[in-house]
Amino acid sequence: DVKVTQSSRYLVKRTGEKVFLECVQDMDHENMFWYRQDPGLGLRLIYFSYDVKMKEKGDIPEGYSVSREKKERFSLILESASTNQTSMYLCASFGGRASGANVLTFGAGSRLTVL
Amino acid sequence: GQNIDQPTEMTATEGAIVQINCTYQTSGFNGLFWYQQHAGEAPTFLSYNVLDGLEEKGRFSSFLSRSKGYSYLLLKELQMKDSASYLCAVKDSNYQLIWGAGTKLIIKP
Repeated sequence: DVKVTQSSRYLVKRTGEKVFLECVQDMDHENMFWYRQDPGLGLRLIYFSYDVKMKEKGDIPEGYSVSREKKERFSLILESASTNQTSMYLCASFGGRASGANVLTFGAGSRLTVL
Repeated sequence: GQNIDQPTEMTATEGAIVQINCTYQTSGFNGLFWYQQHAGEAPTFLSYNVLDGLEEKGRFSSFLSRSKGYSYLLLKELQMKDSASYLCAVKDSNYQLIWGAGTKLIIKP
């Protein structure tokens, strides 16, 4: 069964801390994404990656960075967490070239609270 | 700007039928997706429409009208386990997904 695993389901951090959110997929997918999900808003794309060592900014990259050193792993980094980064973070992936029909497989999410 | 609209919340009765609407204004169109998301879980794929018309998959059907910028998800014979949020997303001309805020569906016995 296809799987996207996010290592931390719940995290509580303090303002200014560095935060790492890890995502691993076992499907040999080229394309990986980080979204944040907030009540009343659609999923918003933070960063995505189409290949190892490659990254592209999404719609809301400010305050975030990413790392894709291996094909299966895509990490989201908050260099200095702030309270407005309290959110649910979702990792997703799909394989092959971009087309209309790409179906995303999501991880279960990481709920981050920044105090 | 790009926009996806869907109702925030709907309530329906077990065994009944419910239709969740989604309207969109996007720069180009390369398909529309519906995902289901149970509370605290990952969104999971339900359907994909790229041509006008109705796609039926068991108890769930999805309809698309590209000229009207409109889709709906139809759920029949509702079960309690259908209580979830339903997310509509459109792929634009750059193959980027634009997401609606989701419709929370509450099923009552």
